[in-house]
Amino acid sequence: GIQVEQSPPDLILQEGANSTLRCNFSDSVNNLQWFHQNPWGQLINLFYIPSGTKQNGRLSATTVATERYSLLYISSSQTTDSGVYFCAVVNNDMRFGAGTRLTVKP
Amino acid sequence: DAGVIQSPRHEVTEMGQEVTLRCKPISGHNSLFWYRQTMMRGLELLIYFNNNVPIDDSGMPEDRFSAKMPNASFSTLKIQPSEPRDSAVYFCASSLGRLKDEQFFGPGTRLTVL
Repeated sequence: GIQVEQSPPDLILQEGANSTLRCNFSDSVNNLQWFHQNPWGQLINLFYIPSGTKQNGRLSATTVATERYSLLYISSSQTTDSGVYFCAVVNNDMRFGAGTRLTVKP
Repeated sequence: DAGVIQSPRHEVTEMGQEVTLRCKPISGHNSLFWYRQTMMRGLELLIYFNNNVPIDDSGMPEDRFSAKMPNASFSTLKIQPSEPRDSAVYFCASSLGRLKDEQFFGPGTRLTVL
């Protein structure tokens, strides 16, 4: 099945810093979503982005489907951004990456 | 809309007992998904329904697990008999269309089997 790799696995930032999270996948996809799992375990939709670029406030995402990767940008990070960020792709089924654990320190 | 609703939010049971998890998808959504999250295996798709019909159950771990969707607004995931290795967070999600459409997740049910 399709392989999904996220990097880095862990990231510690000072409040106000910017960051880029990466998601690589091994085959063509019909769908790609980015989620934030907050400290209470809730999976929050960030972007539905099978291709192209989208922005929502301090967050933006770019998927280059032909090169099989997606990037999530977080600017001016806040402590509430802490949690685990997952990308999930759809090929024959839905596969999640292992996630990037982000800690934003005040 | 209230979003995807799952119950119970927490369940603690003893090995060998039957466990039933419940899900109400977003009104108007045609597809429903059950996922399991563990530390070891991460998030895994267990089964997916479209228009109340099971489309892909290849992720269901074994015969002890079963899922039903008797109507468009209700689904259950049953484990019988439960085992300690079934301890996990079980998420339900729904989408307007099919597998490739944007999925919205419920809050999850944290299951502990002693």
